[in-house]
Amino acid sequence: DGGITQSPKYLFRKEGQNVTLSCEQNLNHDAMYWYRQDPGQGLRLIYYSQIVNDFQKGDIAEGYSVSREKKESFPLTVTSAQKNPTAFYLCASSTKAGTGNTEAFFGQGTRLTVV
Amino acid sequence: GENVEQHPSTLSVQEGDSAVIKCTYSDSASNYFPWYKQELGKRPQLIIDIRSNVGEKKDQRIAVTLNKTAKHFSLHITETQPEDSAVYFCAASKGGNKLTFGTGTQLKVEL
Repeated sequence: DGGITQSPKYLFRKEGQNVTLSCEQNLNHDAMYWYRQDPGQGLRLIYYSQIVNDFQKGDIAEGYSVSREKKESFPLTVTSAQKNPTAFYLCASSTKAGTGNTEAFFGQGTRLTVV
Repeated sequence: GENVEQHPSTLSVQEGDSAVIKCTYSDSASNYFPWYKQELGKRPQLIIDIRSNVGEKKDQRIAVTLNKTAKHFSLHITETQPEDSAVYFCAASKGGNKLTFGTGTQLKVEL
């Protein structure tokens, strides 16, 4: 279970509140990703970052924000603008694009519930 | 952007039978196609991958085939065992960039 760590495992949020999900990796990977997993919808990309201080929107970025101040860390903030935030969130990392080794390693996930 | 479709969404097989899961992709520039297995309550883990310069790859009971012309790729599991029961995801990317995932297949291996 080493390499990429997400915390917390379970998170409860009141409507109207922002919450931040943590993702840390010690694999020296350049690229990091946030996915949202809903039943029957697979893994949908929220944001990704291929280098420190740079990130791009994925397919469902609305209502989310990220930062990439350190290579090891890629926190995700779920804002009050996200209309349906209850989901399972997965963070992943991989070596730099174009290096030929693109296996993505996933964290154990954070289950967010809005109460 | 890339779009990946995966079928079937659920699959039940008897222990010892083979299982096949199929995916299609839309972007002809995609060149990397991994398959992930996610057991209940756990993180997805890579089980096999294939690049666009080969048509087939095997690893013990698992094989993946790729048809670039038709833009589809398939996962084949032979001699299925109860521990193969899980959700399987296909994915596609180009140049090692971000992965686009299929919607997943719930495989159940029955005794």
